Amino acid sequence: SAVISQKPSRDICQRGTSLTIQCQVDSQVTMMFWYRQQPGQSLTLIATANQGSEATYESGFVIDKFPISRPNLTFSTLTVSNMSPEDSSIYLCSVKTGGNTIYFGEGSWLTVV
Amino acid sequence: AQSVTQPDIHITVSEGASLELRCNYSYGATPYLFWYVQSPGQGLQLLLKYFSGDTLVQGIKGFEAEFKRSQSSFNLRKPSVHWSDAAEYFCAVGAGAAGNKLTFGGGTRVLVKP
Repeated sequence: SAVISQKPSRDICQRGTSLTIQCQVDSQVTMMFWYRQQPGQSLTLIATANQGSEATYESGFVIDKFPISRPNLTFSTLTVSNMSPEDSSIYLCSVKTGGNTIYFGEGSWLTVV
Repeated sequence: AQSVTQPDIHITVSEGASLELRCNYSYGATPYLFWYVQSPGQGLQLLLKYFSGDTLVQGIKGFEAEFKRSQSSFNLRKPSVHWSDAAEYFCAVGAGAAGNKLTFGGGTRVLVKP
């Protein structure tokens, strides 16, 4: 299994500002992902965080809005830029372990006012 | 493109009764299938997964799921529900290379009556 820590766990932000969410894993993993869960909705994949190269974004998500870094095999950040109330969501970090199992962090609960 | 349908948005069960949550998927290749549970205010916890082999898989907390290729289904079951099972349950299919990218169903919220 993998233990995934996210920071911050919750935040309230002003519109127009940016917030960076950190994801730390307790072991090296090959694959890291970022998901969004809008209020009352299911989860949607934002992007795959690639170590040492640019993230791979899903349709509807762009790097300018959600820049992602992954400097090593245990850490990644997601920035939500120029926030609006529509960005109020839970942002979840996810990793894939060697057993092909995908685990999630506790999520970062973001409210934009 | 892959998709997952969870037909039941809400299910209410009595404590001690059995529970079955339905999941139907659409995917052109052999799927990687997962069930996750999300308790209020929490992240997602993996209950069980299916990649290949025995089509009846056992998970944590007394849950099991059965993969039926002919019906494109992966239903989750528990023989006796506890009050702590009240949560939202998500079925997901892994697509792409080695099933890396998860597509989730809409979720089923389970309420447990005393």
